[in-house]
Amino acid sequence: GAVVSQHPSRVICKSGTSVKIECRSLDFQATTMFWYRQFPKKSLMLMATSNEGSKATYEQGVEKDKFLINHASLTLSTLTVTSAHPEDSSFYICSAREGLHYGYTFGSGTRLTVV
Amino acid sequence: KNEVEQSPQNLTAQEGEFITINCSYSVGISALHWLQQHPGGGIVSLFMLSSGKKKHGRLIATINIQEKHSSLHITASHPRDSAVYICAVMASGSRLTFGEGTQLTVNP
Repeated sequence: GAVVSQHPSRVICKSGTSVKIECRSLDFQATTMFWYRQFPKKSLMLMATSNEGSKATYEQGVEKDKFLINHASLTLSTLTVTSAHPEDSSFYICSAREGLHYGYTFGSGTRLTVV
Repeated sequence: KNEVEQSPQNLTAQEGEFITINCSYSVGISALHWLQQHPGGGIVSLFMLSSGKKKHGRLIATINIQEKHSSLHITASHPRDSAVYICAVMASGSRLTFGEGTQLTVNP
């Protein structure tokens, strides 16, 4: 079945640095990828939707300049957390769809800790 | 009121028990997903359904579009079924709206 690979699974970084998280669809072409953030004991919160070759659509309240999303190819989307702060510490997870009539495949998530 | 409501929020069962998790939603949808999230965080899509019933192994998912309700059943539950189960609906476009999740613990 469809597989989405997300890396890294865990990252610890210092305040002020940037962190890049990758999400790859391994055996299908993902026309649309989604990035979510999950707080402890809470459900997923959609941050942005990215379509290959175009700018990401961010949800209200999500800072575009802080969470940079790039979807340069049909198999790769990246989320860069810029100038990270401790409050950015969270679980980030991506998902991808091959097309409108397909289900969602989720990555394994990235636990980000900013110290 | 959330667009997607799940019940119960927490569920503890003994191994072998039949388990039901419910999901009600308030918007028109094109599809509903049941997801499983293990303690490590990774999410697995269990079912995508828009009508009727689907079965995969010990898991059964049903949906009633008219009543805006779906159920996830687990037969002969096992401790490895312990996880958070999340209902998510797809309304307009491609975005999913998630329920708060049901924490299931199956004791041996």
